[in-house]
Amino acid sequence: QSALTQPASVSGSPGQSITISCTGTSSDVGGYNFVSWYQQHPGKAPKLMIFEVSNRPSGVSSRFSGSKSGNTASLTISGLQAEDEADYYCVSYTTITTLGGVFGGGTKLTVL
Amino acid sequence: EVQLVESGGGLVQPGGSLRLSCAASGFTFSSYAMNWVRQAPGKGLEWVSIISGGGGSTYYADSVKGRFTVSRDNSKNTLHLQMNSLRAEDTALFYCAKASHDFWSGYYAAFSTFDYWGQGTLVTVSS
Repeated sequence: QSALTQPASVSGSPGQSITISCTGTSSDVGGYNFVSWYQQHPGKAPKLMIFEVSNRPSGVSSRFSGSKSGNTASLTISGLQAEDEADYYCVSYTTITTLGGVFGGGTKLTVL
Repeated sequence: EVQLVESGGGLVQPGGSLRLSCAASGFTFSSYAMNWVRQAPGKGLEWVSIISGGGGSTYYADSVKGRFTVSRDNSKNTLHLQMNSLRAEDTALFYCAKASHDFWSGYYAAFSTFDYWGQGTLVTVSS
């Protein structure tokens, strides 16, 4: 499976909003509304932040939101806070080459 | 409280084998698909494999197909990953992750919505 495409890094100042993109194909992101986003702090296990494109699990701040247009999904974080600094990964169901899951390469978010 | 605890990692020579385990508690284990996800040192996450709640359906990433076998023992609430013909590029922290659904209740979600993760077990393939 080829990884979904994410920007290597994004940055923003506290209080600002940022958006991380996740680009795939019609065989994954574009074909299914099953894209999730995970936050990973250094040395920690990933944490589910968004599922099924735009749904937030209980306990996740409403500052995190997700959307999708065509083959690109997006994660938006509004009102940036220092604790948002982490790596973020998207994942989608895929039918490219074989059935399975495919992650994006990850995006390092820096809060300036 | 849901808990996932991986074990079985270690140092193995290229071409060798290793069996990882993931002990689950705090939920009805047999009712959910389970995934393995790995992360090479300093790299991103890579989906490895998934098994349905009953154990009858499995899928693998191309990079491990034919070498890795996922299984589960629902009587012991334990997930396994048998890894054979290990290569240097298999060196990674291996996480088990609970899917939010089983295949029958949410097939596509099972591959992407991982609501609980273990802390991982490190596999190092080196001579």
